[in-house]
Amino acid sequence: SQQGEEDPQALSIQEGENATMNCSYKTSINNLQWYRQNSGRGLVHLILIRSNEREKHSGRLRVTLDTSKKSSSLLITASRAADTASYFCATDYAGANSKLTFGKGITLSVRP
Amino acid sequence: DTEVTQTPKHLVMGMTNKKSLKCEQHMGHRAMYWYKQKAKKPPELMFVYSYEKLSINESVPSRFSPECPNSSLLNLHLHALQPEDSALYLCASSRLAGTYEQYFGPGTRLTVT
Repeated sequence: SQQGEEDPQALSIQEGENATMNCSYKTSINNLQWYRQNSGRGLVHLILIRSNEREKHSGRLRVTLDTSKKSSSLLITASRAADTASYFCATDYAGANSKLTFGKGITLSVRP
Repeated sequence: DTEVTQTPKHLVMGMTNKKSLKCEQHMGHRAMYWYKQKAKKPPELMFVYSYEKLSINESVPSRFSPECPNSSLLNLHLHALQPEDSALYLCASSRLAGTYEQYFGPGTRLTVT
């Protein structure tokens, strides 16, 4: 399977702490994206990082990409209870013809 | 307007029913997608439309029939579904098919009885 794998599968932290989530993938990619999903709702796009980029920031989010290790990390700084959600990495594989392949997801719980 | 809307929010249907899910976007996006998501699983791609033409069908059973009447609308026609088809059905759109962020609707929660 070309599906990305997030790590850990579940993460529980205290409000104000940083949350780090990792994603590994198997083959060459055009880009990697992170999405958030609140329970039973649609996905919200967080950030897209292209294969020739190493780091991107958006507000409290920092994403890194290491194509040599085929891995990415998502850092959420100063977490809030509202960050409680499932987080998915999604890869656009080279040659995948318009398809995004989602990882299994990470469940983040931020305790107030 | 950066919103993708989906109707209905919830749908309960019997195995002999015919129903349709509707998705709409007014962002001028030329790619639209249907995904199926089971509880605690990632979304699974079903169909991709690019410029109103079906470009990807992920070997979806024929009891699911997509339709793209125009660049803003996407329908999913349902017929003779099975209980295992119960899931959250998500619609998404992107500027073009390929390497672009996708905007998702809130989904339709489908229960097949």
